[in-house]
Amino acid sequence: DGGITQSPKYLFRKEGQNVTLSCEQNLNHDAMYWYRQDPGQGLRLIYYSQIVNDFQKGDIAEGYSVSREKKESFPLTVTSAQKNPTAFYLCASNTGTGRRALHFGNGTRLTVT
Amino acid sequence: DAKTTQPPSMDCAEGRAANLPCNHSTISGNEYVYWYRQIHSQGPQYIIHGLKNNETNEMASLIITEDRKSSTLILPHATLRDTAVYYCIVRVVYYNQGGKLIFGQGTELSVKP
Repeated sequence: DGGITQSPKYLFRKEGQNVTLSCEQNLNHDAMYWYRQDPGQGLRLIYYSQIVNDFQKGDIAEGYSVSREKKESFPLTVTSAQKNPTAFYLCASNTGTGRRALHFGNGTRLTVT
Repeated sequence: DAKTTQPPSMDCAEGRAANLPCNHSTISGNEYVYWYRQIHSQGPQYIIHGLKNNETNEMASLIITEDRKSSTLILPHATLRDTAVYYCIVRVVYYNQGGKLIFGQGTELSVKP
């Protein structure tokens, strides 16, 4: 079955370390997105990419970086510059035309201590 | 994108219809209404979307008022598996626009036996 795979489901890191979250999709979607969700809050857009080798900042890009070297992969690096990295991170994709619904992965819960 | 207002929580008896309201009084003519839901610790799931006509699919029905200032998501026969947070989102749809969905607090629907 096609879908979006995020790994790992739970991730623990020490403060000051960079960490990379994986997102892979086999839906042949052009566009991919990273969102962050904090407890009791809605989703906030970090970065998005509409095509390979291109990406744009979302509303809260500071302290994060991404790459899009392959259509199916969109890894997110949480750097030590991110002030409050502990959160639930969600990856999504769609066909790239704006009306299309987003398909989400099941998320990675990152805890930084 | 227009802001939406939803009740923070609702209860529904299993087997009955669940009617989830959403107010979007500042919606503009080219903004669509989208509904997603999120089961605890999972990624959001697309349910339905519409512009001005009522819409129905295998999951739900979407009723949009004639002035488009509010809408109602209807789950015709709620089951325990429909317990989730339901998000109502309005956004302009442009070709190749990034998925800049603005998720609010949503409505936490509890379906009870």
